[in-house]
Amino acid sequence: EPEVTQTPSHQVTQMGQEVILRCVPISNHLYFYWYRQILGQKVEFLVSFYNNEISEKSEIFDDQFSVERPDGSNFTLKIRSTKLEDSAMYFCASSQGWSSGTNEQFFGPGTRLTVL
Amino acid sequence: GQNIDQPTEMTATEGAIVQINCTYQTSGFNGLFWYQQHAGEAPTFLSYNVLDGLEEKGRFSSFLSRSKGYSYLLLKELQMKDSASYLCAVRDQVFQKLVFGTGTRLLVSP
Repeated sequence: EPEVTQTPSHQVTQMGQEVILRCVPISNHLYFYWYRQILGQKVEFLVSFYNNEISEKSEIFDDQFSVERPDGSNFTLKIRSTKLEDSAMYFCASSQGWSSGTNEQFFGPGTRLTVL
Repeated sequence: GQNIDQPTEMTATEGAIVQINCTYQTSGFNGLFWYQQHAGEAPTFLSYNVLDGLEEKGRFSSFLSRSKGYSYLLLKELQMKDSASYLCAVRDQVFQKLVFGTGTRLLVSP
């Protein structure tokens, strides 16, 4: 069964450093998303991406964050200068984007980011 | 604004039935989703409602009332492996973001 994959599974970084989180969405999906979940809290939307551009972003997704689809398979989230409060589990998700049907979002296993 | 409420925690015994409620107030509505999340893992899709009524899928059923802003997830014949968090999420527009509730942690005991 096709699945969303993410690397690395765990990233430890120093405050102020840049990190890039990588995702490979399901191959025939058209919509891509990043969410984060701070330990013990709810899953929060960061950004959605379609047709090589951001379609929606939350107030969390400030100038320190960027997304890119550098080739036909990868989808990346970059945090330019990490802060302690960026420590969280980051989930990538994708959905088919068909005009009918459930269009549920399939989530990857997550990258646990720890900022020291 | 967006507000999705669920109970924080529930307990039940193996073989029993449990109902997890979710109420929502969102600026738009294009479907309500239930996801299961085991600790430290990704959410996995369980069910979807966009019209009023009951959707049944094996041991799991989900109900929606759009006029009341209310949904529930019903789990029958509980098994130990059903111990997990259950996340209610509303999609405000087609193909757009999911807004999640805080999740309900279900503990199934023998």
